[in-house]
Amino acid sequence: DGGITQSPKYLFRKEGQNVTLSCEQNLNHDAMYWYRQDPGQGLRLIYYSQIVNDFQKGDIAEGYSVSREKKESFPLTVTSAQKNPTAFYLCASSISLSGANVLTFGAGSRLTVL
Amino acid sequence: QQQVKQSPQSLIVQKGGISIINCAYENTAFDYFPWYQQFPGKGPALLIAIRPDVSEKKEGRFTISFNKSAKQFSLHIMDSQPGDSATYFCAASMTWWKAGSYQLTFGKGTKLSVIP
Repeated sequence: DGGITQSPKYLFRKEGQNVTLSCEQNLNHDAMYWYRQDPGQGLRLIYYSQIVNDFQKGDIAEGYSVSREKKESFPLTVTSAQKNPTAFYLCASSISLSGANVLTFGAGSRLTVL
Repeated sequence: QQQVKQSPQSLIVQKGGISIINCAYENTAFDYFPWYQQFPGKGPALLIAIRPDVSEKKEGRFTISFNKSAKQFSLHIMDSQPGDSATYFCAASMTWWKAGSYQLTFGKGTKLSVIP
């Protein structure tokens, strides 16, 4: 089955530690995204990548980093510089259908900073 | 100009009733308007989408109404069921050759609770 796999589903981190969230897709989509979801805030874009070896900052990129070395993979690192990292993180990929951007999301990773 | 404003933030509807969620946008270059449905602990999934060249699109119990002149669109869920209880997000984007990117702009979401 084609889809997006995010791991881990739950992650606990101590303050001051970096943590990397994994995102893998087998949909052969070119574009991939990371969103952060907080209650009442909707989906906020952290980073996105339209092709391998290229990525762009979204609305809330500070304290995060990404890489896109392979088409299938788009890992997100939450660094110690992120002041409030506890959140639900969603990875997505997209394909353009007649110019419309159709996103497919993973099941999410919930990060809790202790 | 890039915002999509969604209301209400939460909605309680009785089983069998009609659920209505509204969204408004500013950027007239938007030409694709999807709705996503998210169950607790899961990622959002595409529910239904519309282009501005039609005023309404229906898929089963779900209907999008689109008012281009008012720059508004809404999701109607007919005969709402407890299984429809979820968070719904509206979104908007431009076709990629206009925008140069694939970004969607999301509303802040509406938490729908359908009570028996």
